[in-house]
Amino acid sequence: DAGVTQSPTHLIKTRGQQVTLRCSPKSGHDTVSWYQQALGQGPQFIFQYYEEEERQRGNFPDRFSGHQFPNYSSELNVNALLLGDSALYLCASGQTGALNTGELFFGEGSRLTVL
Amino acid sequence: AQSVTQLDSHVSVSEGTPVLLRCNYSSSYSPSLFWYVQHPNKGLQLLLKYTSAATLVKGINGFEAEFKKSETSFHLTKPSAHMSDAAEYFCVVSGAGKSTFGDGTTLTVKP
Repeated sequence: DAGVTQSPTHLIKTRGQQVTLRCSPKSGHDTVSWYQQALGQGPQFIFQYYEEEERQRGNFPDRFSGHQFPNYSSELNVNALLLGDSALYLCASGQTGALNTGELFFGEGSRLTVL
Repeated sequence: AQSVTQLDSHVSVSEGTPVLLRCNYSSSYSPSLFWYVQHPNKGLQLLLKYTSAATLVKGINGFEAEFKKSETSFHLTKPSAHMSDAAEYFCVVSGAGKSTFGDGTTLTVKP
């Protein structure tokens, strides 16, 4: 049973560019959440997707957007990249309804470096 | 609203001695609480979770945590540290579909 998979694992961009990160949730999971983890800090919640809609959002600007597809996979898009966007981006999947205990299953992350 | 405070940013212990990582939380809901571990350049792995069942929760690798509602605490313990326990540990509170992380505690294990 594959867990949460993310791609790419590493990427380098320059300021002003755009980036797309991808995530496939654990089998049987229907929610996907994205987190930004800057060096030496805890993960910060960006947003959560369920039923192909953004359900909750953290304190991130509109440059951060996302999408969830019918197969529950998800993309995170960041436009007009800033140096401060350099971080490890983590995807986490979970379940809704009666199976929802709040437990999240994390991927290994995508490390973005902005030069 | 919910928040998590990990009281120690760094903890250093000798191999074979007990580990205590402290976490206090606040939540407007009946929260679920979690401890995750993150090894360098890796994703997060669940150690244990509290979801309103037994207040003493046992997790993987010999870790356990006790939920104390009166103290709003969920401290992580292990009787005997191993070198492989060296990592970053995160306490997480979850409620109303949102998970909030603490800033993390770096555990160093000395030989």
